[in-house]
Amino acid sequence: GNSVTQMEGPVTLSEEAFLTINCTYTATGYPSLFWYVQYPGEGLQLLLKATKADDKGSNKGFEATYRKETTSFHLEKGSVQVSDSAVYFCADHKAAGNKLTFGGGTRVLVKP
Amino acid sequence: NAGVMQNPRHLVRRRGQEARLRCSPMKGHSHVYWYRQLPEEGLKFMVYLQKENIIDESGMPKERFSAEFPKEGPSILRIQQVVRGDSAAYFCASSHTGQPQHFGDGTRLSIL
Repeated sequence: GNSVTQMEGPVTLSEEAFLTINCTYTATGYPSLFWYVQYPGEGLQLLLKATKADDKGSNKGFEATYRKETTSFHLEKGSVQVSDSAVYFCADHKAAGNKLTFGGGTRVLVKP
Repeated sequence: NAGVMQNPRHLVRRRGQEARLRCSPMKGHSHVYWYRQLPEEGLKFMVYLQKENIIDESGMPKERFSAEFPKEGPSILRIQQVVRGDSAAYFCASSHTGQPQHFGDGTRLSIL
């Protein structure tokens, strides 16, 4: 079966620092890739997505590029804010089966 | 346009009791998914349903767990004879065909 691996946290940063969270997938074929964000006590919110190789998803200053050659979908933000403190989940989705496979999540803490 | 609604937000049960978790999908969504999140872990797929049909239940424990999505009313995840290991956050998601899944805020189940 497929799996999604992302870097373990917690990641602690100062405001305005550069954030990278690595994510790799092992699904065969051409899955769609997603980043979800979970704020404390809440459900998951879709942050961004990419559906094919070389697509770049972007939202709220976050970006991730679908790299088929390295099976990666790393999340980046150039200047984080305290409000970006949350848990970030990478996920892939294969049309066959129609379910998301999540990485273990990366907790990010941004300090003022 | 209301999002995915889950209730209750918090549920406390004693060992051996039954837990019923409800999920109302977003308006117009016919696909419902249940995921479980154990403490400090990622989300794990449990079951995928469409109206009155279970499409994929490969992530459901073989015993005590069941799910339904009736023609009328919310989807229900039912856990019979709960045990301590059932303590987790249970998330429901819904989608249109071929579209990203939208998540509810989850039900946090605690077993005494």
